[in-house]
Amino acid sequence: EDQVTQSPEALRLQEGESSSLNCSYTVSGLRGLFWYRQDPGKGPEFLFTLYSAGEEKEKERLKATLTKKESFLHITAPKPEDSATYLCAVQPLGVSGSARQLTFGSGTQLTVLP
Amino acid sequence: DSGVTQTPKHLITATGQRVTLRCSPRSGDLSVYWYQQSLDQGLQFLIQYYNGEERAKGNILERFSAQQFPDLHSELNLSSLELGDSALYFCASSAALGIYYEQYFGPGTRLTVT
Repeated sequence: EDQVTQSPEALRLQEGESSSLNCSYTVSGLRGLFWYRQDPGKGPEFLFTLYSAGEEKEKERLKATLTKKESFLHITAPKPEDSATYLCAVQPLGVSGSARQLTFGSGTQLTVLP
Repeated sequence: DSGVTQTPKHLITATGQRVTLRCSPRSGDLSVYWYQQSLDQGLQFLIQYYNGEERAKGNILERFSAQQFPDLHSELNLSSLELGDSALYFCASSAALGIYYEQYFGPGTRLTVT
């Protein structure tokens, strides 16, 4: 069974204090790994897709990396507006045909204090 | 704004009742997904439709059903509602099948069963 584990569950940072969020996964072959940002009561907002080990993607203060067993979301010099829950999801190769469902982790709740 | 719309935003109903949630995908997207998000279960995949046909099913209860219409909008029907069905229900859509298939989420429908 596909599993996604995110750590830590919650993280409090001071503004400007860089850190990393972890997403470890167990899947029967990985088609893609996805990072989303979710604000309270809102729908998840797409951030990145990573397809193969060694791949990296950046967007503003965020950088996502992928290995064969885990992904990291690095946050450099965060600002209070980066406060949100960050969700990691995987899409396995094992699903057949046009099935494209995502399996999500439970998320990391990030709070950036001014 | 992801381009995915969902109605209604909020729904309050009683146990045993039936409700219908509606989703319009982004323009041009053929796949629609439904997810349920509750505090204890996180974001869980329910069902996927592609161009009107069911393509994948997750842990969707038998009391729940969905369909995708010729204009590509989708409806999720929840019947014999129980208190435990209270949750946020999200719809997501993605483009036609291919290597790039990020899912874009709507704002969600908050269902409260009393």
